[in-house]
Amino acid sequence: QVQLQESGPGLLKPSQTLSLTCTVSGGSISSGSFYWSWVRQPAGKGLEWIGRIHTSGTLNYNPALKSRLTMSLDTSKNHFSLILTSVTAADTAMYYCTTGMVIDGVASFDPWGQGTLVTVSS
Amino acid sequence: EIVLTQSPGTLSLSPGERATLSCRASQSVRSTYLAWYQQKPGQAPRLLIYGASNRATGIPDRFGGSGSGTDFTLTISRLEPEDFAVYYCQQYGSSPITFGQGTRLEIK
Repeated sequence: QVQLQESGPGLLKPSQTLSLTCTVSGGSISSGSFYWSWVRQPAGKGLEWIGRIHTSGTLNYNPALKSRLTMSLDTSKNHFSLILTSVTAADTAMYYCTTGMVIDGVASFDPWGQGTLVTVSS
Repeated sequence: EIVLTQSPGTLSLSPGERATLSCRASQSVRSTYLAWYQQKPGQAPRLLIYGASNRATGIPDRFGGSGSGTDFTLTISRLEPEDFAVYYCQQYGSSPITFGQGTRLEIK
């Protein structure tokens, strides 16, 4: 089965740009029909969907983050990425990458990466 | 945006008992594209149920999902010690994808 592993900076200052990468093993991000997604979770709180990119490159973003968000696929490195600009303390959270096979145009999330903690603090 | 409301917020039960978790949507969920996830402390969520009633690979048959439209239920027929965790519902049929706020299932 596909395995996912997030990587990122850990600590950022307010107004900086967050860049995260999700490396995929056990399968190719350019094969089949999959949504590659990001989900975040502030400590002790619930899950928030950030956005997704399809194998074809089609993008869907959460409207609440759309103005600051860019997602992309890198087929040469078999990973996908998230860039979030102008971060604030409200962006402090565990960030998960996840995927799902598209059936009838939709996909649930399975499997997930283990998550990477991002803290925004001055 | 579809808002999902889970109840109860916390459910206190004993091993061997039956658990019933509810998820109510603010509008009809397209084609029962409703999933349930389990999350244990320090771990990523794990998919349990998709399409409202289909168990994901490797999920024990004591986990069952049902419902349609705006009302969905996750049932755990006989609780095992490893089932005590937080459970989230998710609708993935409409963008933005949304999650419920979670139900904490704790040992009584």
